[in-house]
Amino acid sequence: AQTVTQSQPEMSVQEAETVTLSCTYDTSESNYYLFWYKQPPSRQMILVIRQEAYKQQNATENRFSVNFQKAAKSFSLKISDSQLGDTAMYFCAFSDQTGANNLFFGTGTRLTVIP
Amino acid sequence: DSGVTQTPKHLITATGQRVTLRCSPRSGDLSVYWYQQSLDQGLQFLIQYYNGEERAKGNILERFSAQQFPDLHSELNLSSLELGDSALYFCASSASPAPRGNTEAFFGQGTRLTVV
Repeated sequence: AQTVTQSQPEMSVQEAETVTLSCTYDTSESNYYLFWYKQPPSRQMILVIRQEAYKQQNATENRFSVNFQKAAKSFSLKISDSQLGDTAMYFCAFSDQTGANNLFFGTGTRLTVIP
Repeated sequence: DSGVTQTPKHLITATGQRVTLRCSPRSGDLSVYWYQQSLDQGLQFLIQYYNGEERAKGNILERFSAQQFPDLHSELNLSSLELGDSALYFCASSASPAPRGNTEAFFGQGTRLTVV
């Protein structure tokens, strides 16, 4: 069974600084997708970034980048130049291609950006 | 705005009652997913429909059921409600059967259900 673990329930970062959120997962699949979702106080789930397991290059979206270590089954999110609007819950999620057709989520990391 | 509409936004009901949550997917999306988010928890997959047919089932209780209609909107029915069913219920939609990297799953704003 696929599991996703986020070991940091809460984190904080100073505005304009860089922060890294950790995520590990467990799967026996060889190809799969990994995601980071942001959930601000509005409750909306917003896709931040995605990574396909067969791609070795780490995904980047503006200030957001990932460090994907397939052998270690690690998928961390780095937020550079943190902004107040980055304050939210961040969820790591996993999706395989074997027909499960759904996202497995971690328990989330609550990030607070301090002005 | 993700384009996924969920109604109602809030719902308060008593134990033992039955409620129906509604989801309208993004225009053109054939897949609808339902997730449950309990307090301070991640989202738990409940069930998925693709073009009117059940595609995958997760940790959905027997008291819960869902369907997707010909116009592709979906309803999640929760019956014999218990206090522990209080949660945020999210609907998501995507164009393909699976939320793969090249086919993003878009989430609605959720329905907050409170069972008293």
